[in-house]
Amino acid sequence: SQQGEEDPQALSIQEGENATMNCSYKTSINNLQWYRQNSGRGLVHLILIRSNEREKHSGRLRVTLDTSKKSSSLLITASRAADTASYFCATTPRPGRRALTFGSGTRLQVQP
Amino acid sequence: GAVVSQHPSWVICKSGTSVKIECRSLDFQATTMFWYRQFPKQSLMLMATSNEGSKATYEQGVEKDKFLINHASLTLSTLTVTSAHPEDSSFYICSAREGDLDNTFGSGTRLTVV
Repeated sequence: SQQGEEDPQALSIQEGENATMNCSYKTSINNLQWYRQNSGRGLVHLILIRSNEREKHSGRLRVTLDTSKKSSSLLITASRAADTASYFCATTPRPGRRALTFGSGTRLQVQP
Repeated sequence: GAVVSQHPSWVICKSGTSVKIECRSLDFQATTMFWYRQFPKQSLMLMATSNEGSKATYEQGVEKDKFLINHASLTLSTLTVTSAHPEDSSFYICSAREGDLDNTFGSGTRLTVV
């Protein structure tokens, strides 16, 4: 079953702007991951944040995690047209379930 | 890093026929493989969990007799869509993990049933 929701469902910005996507989930988690998917393609793993971490950076990506609110955000700074894709959060719930549960996704369009 | 190969990348089949999709872990032994389905503009939904040498565990609402999963070795799991219908047209993607390590995803299979 789907773990949670992402918002916005769709986001259109200009190149150079920042893009922020939010993810909410329902149960306790071990970690939360963000993936990117180009249209009709497979998944690209972006970043993993553990339940005891609050913020993590990777290049132009910044992820936050608030376990008290069961939410996470993904910030892409200085966006590029090549960032156009769908972005999904995915959680590994506790205890022991090893499959990922995906959020509903955000479709990001970066206009050149 | 870990690599998972999924074939075919796309397939078109006639209604009523069966289609087999393969998922291989190339450089590690996958104790567990997962099969997901993604309809257009939707998220990925887990269909089943496949453990080597045992029967797959299916998620609620997924017909085990229609979606046959075989995980005969530590490097190969197959998903067979039997008697495919147009409503089975979807993007199918597998992931594999070795022990407690993170999931590695295949590149997905676009199935179109005509």
